[in-house]
Amino acid sequence: DAKTTQPNSMESNEEEPVHLPCNHSTISGTDYIHWYRQLPSQGPEYVIHGLTSNVNNRMASLAIAEDRKSSTLILHRATLRDAAVYYCILRDRNNDMRFGAGTRLTVKP
Amino acid sequence: ETGVTQSPTHLIKTRGQQVTLRCSSQSGHNTVSWYQQALGQGPQFIFQYYREEENGRGNFPPRFSGLQFPNYSSELNVNALELDDSALYLCASSPNAVYNSPLHFGNGTRLTVT
Repeated sequence: DAKTTQPNSMESNEEEPVHLPCNHSTISGTDYIHWYRQLPSQGPEYVIHGLTSNVNNRMASLAIAEDRKSSTLILHRATLRDAAVYYCILRDRNNDMRFGAGTRLTVKP
Repeated sequence: ETGVTQSPTHLIKTRGQQVTLRCSSQSGHNTVSWYQQALGQGPQFIFQYYREEENGRGNFPPRFSGLQFPNYSSELNVNALELDDSALYLCASSPNAVYNSPLHFGNGTRLTVT
């Protein structure tokens, strides 16, 4: 089963960019890379997903390595509201989304 | 547009009892997934329902079962509760069962088994 590896925690200053890394060396060709975040006392919130090409939306950007063995979630200007646990997930054809422990992002004013 | 709602928000049960958790999916969504999140860990996939049929299952025993109704709402049933079943149970809906479709999560039901 494909798994992901993320740092346990990261810190950022408010209004600065944040790059959240994720390694997924055993990814298969049909696995999508999804990112979700979870704020305290809430369910996870969808952030972005991609397959091979880099993706942008109103929340973030997703940069996917050419060999697809790693990816980076980019928050262009972190705000205090971005403090959350960020999960990098591989989603396979069985619809099994395997969450890891995620990265706890702290944003300092 | 109404989001995913779950009930109850909190529940306390005794070991050996049975519990039913409920989920109303987001309007227009026909697929519902259930997850278990232990304290300090990421959510673990239990199963998914698409148009009232189970459409994928994680590594959970048969005492975890579910239903999806014609209006696409869903129930999670857990029999013979164990202490380790204490967790946050999350429901998520999506507009279809395609595996790259984003999930919309509710805020969960906190189950405590004593």
